[in-house]
Amino acid sequence: LAKTTQPISMDSYEGQEVNITCSHNNIATNDYITWYQQFPSQGPRFIIQGYKTKVTNEVASLFIPADRKSSTLSLPRVSLSDTAVYYCLPRMDSSYKLIFGSGTRLLVRP
Amino acid sequence: DTEVTQTPKHLVMGMTNKKSLKCEQHMGHRAMYWYKQKAKKPPELMFVYSYEKLSINESVPSRFSPECPNSSLLNLHLHALQPEDSALYLCASSQEGGRGRTEAFFGQGTRLTVV
Repeated sequence: LAKTTQPISMDSYEGQEVNITCSHNNIATNDYITWYQQFPSQGPRFIIQGYKTKVTNEVASLFIPADRKSSTLSLPRVSLSDTAVYYCLPRMDSSYKLIFGSGTRLLVRP
Repeated sequence: DTEVTQTPKHLVMGMTNKKSLKCEQHMGHRAMYWYKQKAKKPPELMFVYSYEKLSINESVPSRFSPECPNSSLLNLHLHALQPEDSALYLCASSQEGGRGRTEAFFGQGTRLTVV
């Protein structure tokens, strides 16, 4: 399984765009990159998934360069309610093994 | 229905007790998971069931015993736990692997305290 590295924490202010980068140098050909959000005392929630280039949904965008050794989660115009821990997880096409790395603790200030 | 329901939400048990955690989903998912999460740490995978068969056991002590009675239900039987087993226990489910969305849906967890 690909090992991931993310910043331990990030600070931002309401209304700003936040970009969280995850490196996964040994990602396998069949791995997708998924991102999850977790609030305290709740289960993680899926945000977005991608394989290459750019994916956008109603919540976030995910940028994956051609070499796929990293990915960047972009949260446009964050609010206080985006304060949470964000995890990037490579997910093999046919594997059930979903392993969480240490995640990035995002704090959004007023 | 995109919910994974876990019961109970909170549980306090003594070290000699036997208790069970329950998890239910009705999304037709064929993979179900148990995770353990300590404060300020990431969720740690314990078990994975695939098509009602145990497919992954991450070297979890035998005082934790999983069971999958049918495709919608997952139990975690607890016996002779230690105080260090106190944690948030999370259940999740996902579709079987394949191209397309393979996200896991998590329940709200059971907060377990062992006294």
